[in-house]
Amino acid sequence: EAGVAQSPRYKIIEKRQSVAFWCNPISGHATLYWYQQILGQGPKLLIQFQNNGVVDDSQLPKDRFSAERLKGVDSTLKIQPAKLEDSAVYLCASSSDYTDTQYFGPGTRLTVL
Amino acid sequence: GENVEQHPSTLSVQEGDSAVIKCTYSDSASNYFPWYKQELGKRPQLIIDIRSNVGEKKDQRIAVTLNKTAKHFSLHITETQPEDSAVYFCAATLNQGGKLIFGQGTELSVKP
Repeated sequence: EAGVAQSPRYKIIEKRQSVAFWCNPISGHATLYWYQQILGQGPKLLIQFQNNGVVDDSQLPKDRFSAERLKGVDSTLKIQPAKLEDSAVYLCASSSDYTDTQYFGPGTRLTVL
Repeated sequence: GENVEQHPSTLSVQEGDSAVIKCTYSDSASNYFPWYKQELGKRPQLIIDIRSNVGEKKDQRIAVTLNKTAKHFSLHITETQPEDSAVYFCAATLNQGGKLIFGQGTELSVKP
């Protein structure tokens, strides 16, 4: 079974620039999550999708972050404009309808200079 | 909101010794508690999980215990090996398929 795929793996940008990350969940997984992991901390949920609908985006900084999952499969997370404090690893995870287990992708390490 | 506290932040043991990591959670309605292992630069990987209707679960050298009354759960690793060295995260969730609330992580170092 293929795992969760993410790209790019690394990104370096200047503050105030825009950036987008892509995630392809495990085939058949209806639920997709984006987490932000700041160095030395545990992951924090940004947004959760069930198919192409948003279940929880309470911790998403909506003035600069946006996410979509238009066809209920892959998803993109965008930051515009980026701030220094957005430097982190952005992890995508997915789970099926029938289990709590969340499987994580390799993450995208973002550095904002 | 839901909060998960994890201790210790760092743990160093000799190869062959046991390691214990403890977590407490704030919301008594939490019902699913996974543990993830994250090696440097890699993705978090699920190593064991427990549900609120079970008090203990074992898988070879690792075990998890849950005390619902005290709202805490622990990870036990026996006969530690150098390859167990990593950061371990506990987490809790309220609903099936819901968001995970992670602890701050424990950096485990197993010295040969």
